[in-house]
Amino acid sequence: SQQGEEDPQALSIQEGENATMNCSYKTSINNLQWYRQNSGRGLVHLILIRSNEREKHSGRLRVTLDTSKKSSSLLITASRAADTASYFCATDVTGSEKLVFGKGTKLTVNP
Amino acid sequence: DARVTQTPRHKVTEMGQEVTMRCQPILGHNTVFWYRQTMMQGLELLAYFRNRAPLDDSGMPKDRFSAEMPDATLATLKIQPSEPRDSAVYFCASGLALTGLGGELFFGEGSRLTVL
Repeated sequence: SQQGEEDPQALSIQEGENATMNCSYKTSINNLQWYRQNSGRGLVHLILIRSNEREKHSGRLRVTLDTSKKSSSLLITASRAADTASYFCATDVTGSEKLVFGKGTKLTVNP
Repeated sequence: DARVTQTPRHKVTEMGQEVTMRCQPILGHNTVFWYRQTMMQGLELLAYFRNRAPLDDSGMPKDRFSAEMPDATLATLKIQPSEPRDSAVYFCASGLALTGLGGELFFGEGSRLTVL
């Protein structure tokens, strides 16, 4: 069963614009992670935010976590065509080492 | 350059045949996960191992699927007999988990299975 739900399912923007993707989840978590998947490839880890953190940055990525609302957002600033991919949130459920993924947001960045 | 290696990358087989997918996790990692990805269901967790011991395989159809780690360098996922609904991309991922906490996972490139 899915733990995380990404929103929107698909997003199309122009190069240089910012892209924001949201993730909602259902149960208590240890941490939340974001991954990227290029078409036909495996997933690549982008960033991990722990349940006691509220915001984290990595290069052009900014992740926020609101545990009271059970939600997270991923912001990609100054997007590039090479950012075109699917982005998934994954939750590490408290009491378990399982990493459960949402269905992803498909991002298209047009040159 | 450490990476998770999966074989085969592509497999086409007839319904009823046995399929074995293999995964070599990154050396030193203590967790291994098997996921299945389809358009309809997204990424489904099938099974995972910690220190080679199976911790959870509740996501796996038990009657036809089996997952093992014969040693620290090899994880296998077997389907017998295969059915058309098993057609999907199967991913193996490994990671280094602290006790009770999951961490970053490193994914292989996947095994694309087509069952006719």
